[in-house]
Order: sequence, then C-alpha cells, then structure tokens
Amino acid sequence: KAGVTQTPRYLIKTRGQQVTLSCSPISGHRSVSWYQQTPGQGLQFLFEYFSETQRNKGNFPGRFSGRQFSNSRSEMNVSTLELGDSALYLCASSFSSGIYNEQFFGPGTRLTVL
Amino acid sequence: ELKVEQNPLFLSMQEGKNYTIYCNYSTTSDRLYWYRQDPGKSLESLFVLLSNGAVKQEGRLMASLDTKARLSTLHITAAVHDLSATYFCAVEEYGNKLVFGAGTILRVKS
Repeated sequence: KAGVTQTPRYLIKTRGQQVTLSCSPISGHRSVSWYQQTPGQGLQFLFEYFSETQRNKGNFPGRFSGRQFSNSRSEMNVSTLELGDSALYLCASSFSSGIYNEQFFGPGTRLTVL
Repeated sequence: ELKVEQNPLFLSMQEGKNYTIYCNYSTTSDRLYWYRQDPGKSLESLFVLLSNGAVKQEGRLMASLDTKARLSTLHITAAVHDLSATYFCAVEEYGNKLVFGAGTILRVKS
C-alpha cells in the first residue's frame, strides 16, 4: 500500500511570491491534515480537509489556504511569502475524521523563503 | 486551549540504560499518539493510546496513558544507538487536530 506522497519535496522561493504544495493521501483515506514544522514553533496544525470540506483550522493568517479535490488529494497555498514561512510542511492522511483513526504522515515539503 | 508539554527536551543516554520521557497535557483528551522523527525525515507513528490505562509495547519502547493525570510516558528499556531520534507526543484536541509537544531529542551513546 503506497504511503502519503507530497510534492515537491524541496522548494526555494523569494519573499512576496506564492507557493502551492500538493499532498496525495493513502488510497481510501478521506481526511488530509496539514502541519507546519519550524525549529522555533515546533509542529503546528494548519488545517484539515475531509470530503472536500475544511473541517478544522489552526491559528494561521489568511495567507495560508488549502483545498481538497474529489479524489482526496489536497493542496495548500501560501501567498505573499514571508521569511518566517520557511519550514517543513507535512501532510497527514487518515481514513476518517471525528472518530479514532491513525494519521500517517508524508515525507514533507521543505520550503525555503529567501 | 490545549497545551502539551514534554520533558526532558534533550536526553543523552548510555547504551543499555533505561529512561522515561514524560508528556503532560492541559485539558481532557483520551487520544494520545507517540511519533518518532529522524533528522530530515517525516514522522513515524509509534503508538496510539486511546483510553485510560492503555499500555502498548514495541521492542524496547513502552507507552502508557493516564487520562486522569493527563500524563503519558514513553519508557525506553536497554537503549541502543538505533533509538537515537526525536520523539513527539501529540494529543488529539478535536477532529483530527493534533497538538504536539516540543519533542525530546534522544541521543544514545555507545
């Protein structure tokens, strides 16, 4: 069974640009969550999508957005990049939402903002 | 707001020794997860603890959950170098939102 895949794996952008990251969940999983990992703030929840609907959202500015497609693949977008957006972005997939289910993490996208 | 605290944040151990990592959380939850992260890698799921008194073991690692004390422990028995990694506990706040501890960097010295 293939795991969670994320593309691209590495990305370098400059301040002010925007970026789109992609996540393909494990086959059959309908929930995709996104997390940001930085040395200073640790792992922080961005948002979760389930059946194409955003179900939960963390405390991030509106520059961070996402969406989910009918095949459960998800994208997140960051507009007007800032230096502080440099981070490892991880997505996690699970079978369902609201009841017990284990989240499986992808390899991450390393974003560097110059 | 749920807060999750891990300690210690850094642990240097000798091979063969035992130690425990602690994870305290601030509000009621009965779903707690332990993950391992190697440098530059993603998170690997170690344990899922779903109820008070839950105990799970895999190899040299054993995790337990006390929901009344809002405490989980990850016990390492007879550490080996391969266990060197960063260990995170995460508590499910609602839905699929996980709140992570700061992580414990474990270094096992031979």
